[in-house]
Amino acid sequence: GAVVSQHPSWVICKSGTSVKIECRSLDFQATTMFWYRQFPKQSLMLMATSNEGSKATYEQGVEKDKFLINHASLTLSTLTVTSAHPEDSSFYICSARKSSSYEQYFGPGTRLTVT
Amino acid sequence: QKEVEQNSGPLSVPEGAIASLNCTYSDRGSQSFFWYRQYSGKSPELIMSIYSNGDKEDGRFTAQLNKASQYVSLLIRDSQPSDSATYLCAVTPFRNTGGFKTIFGAGTRLFVKA
Repeated sequence: GAVVSQHPSWVICKSGTSVKIECRSLDFQATTMFWYRQFPKQSLMLMATSNEGSKATYEQGVEKDKFLINHASLTLSTLTVTSAHPEDSSFYICSARKSSSYEQYFGPGTRLTVT
Repeated sequence: QKEVEQNSGPLSVPEGAIASLNCTYSDRGSQSFFWYRQYSGKSPELIMSIYSNGDKEDGRFTAQLNKASQYVSLLIRDSQPSDSATYLCAVTPFRNTGGFKTIFGAGTRLFVKA
């Protein structure tokens, strides 16, 4: 199988606080993980590509100081939304790519609400 | 031109019919092609991958790839109401740099009427 977990599945936080989201590949090693954001009824938006042991590559328009990504091991990547604001409320989804192929497996997503 | 293009739909088919979903891509050197299904409020789920020209069948799903026409399709036979979802086409272009980032289409909404 290829199972990816995310934690938490949903979180509510106050404006100005930080939130950390974890993404784990449970049964395979993932040298590359991806973080996406999806607003209601809109397409997936790639935020950044995370490679184990190196700095993340951010897409144009994504603030790297606001969305901190750490890929500390072959099975874990974290996304920290710093100083969250209501406009950061969204569905955040990670995916992990098997080292042997280009298939990406998605986590179940984290629904973030900033009040 | 978008790198991966899909008709947004909705595509509406009656239960039991064949649903045909289409996708075109711009990078002629693309190597890997995928179809994902995304239910409303959920994350995408990989349902098919195809790497060479021709057809690939898995249960009620058939993926078809035509690299010369830069076209990939997904057929769903005996469509069920539970197939109602958004289907995302994804393509991994050939790149010497950039880490082989997979490009996702915006998705086609499929509605299967009972």
